[in-house]
Amino acid sequence: GAVVSQHPSRVICKSGTSVKIECRSLDFQATTMFWYRQFPKQSLMLMATSNEGSKATYEQGVEKDKFLINHASLTLSTLTVTSAHPEDSSFYICSARAIDRGNEQFFGPGTRLTVL
Amino acid sequence: KQEVTQIPAALSVPEGENLVLNCSFTDSAIYNLQWFRQDPGKGLTSLLLIQSSQREQTSGRLNASLDKSSGRSTLYIAASQPGDSATYLCAVRLNSGGSNYKLTFGKGTLLTVNP
Repeated sequence: GAVVSQHPSRVICKSGTSVKIECRSLDFQATTMFWYRQFPKQSLMLMATSNEGSKATYEQGVEKDKFLINHASLTLSTLTVTSAHPEDSSFYICSARAIDRGNEQFFGPGTRLTVL
Repeated sequence: KQEVTQIPAALSVPEGENLVLNCSFTDSAIYNLQWFRQDPGKGLTSLLLIQSSQREQTSGRLNASLDKSSGRSTLYIAASQPGDSATYLCAVRLNSGGSNYKLTFGKGTLLTVNP
């Protein structure tokens, strides 16, 4: 149990285009989802915290107009990278907090974004 | 601001060795600490979660300890196997109350177990 999926697992796009990444909790409800970014050989850096039905809270230095987050239901959050540039190329990982499991966070498999 | 440091950054051992990975954090007011495993290009798999009131947790060949007052945790892996090769990440959640469930991660230790 406590499975989190991400789609797509890998995406390559041209500079200037927008990319949407989905994060789903498959067998539990998650009122809170988190979006992380990981550069090669670096740790996960929290980008934003997403609460169902409300606006996301962004970490310092993360542009909310560039990284649009929508948490429309208890099982789905989306991250849209708008007008992507090569420096946005990274590994994006989401996690979901399971209310009925001691508030533990469960992580998705990640999405590799490459912007040409 | 919470900072998490993991030492060593990389470790290579022969199969069968027992090993210890270290994690330290600057703010001891944590809610819990978690150890994760990350395989190349993959997401995170939770290994062990230690609540702030606990001293250690065990799962199979893994044992994690927590010394909150000194800001340290160790992950002990017994009888290492090539399949244990991965990056091991330590993460802490601050005890800030409310709805703050943010995790702060270390950079990880890249473990290679050689057959």
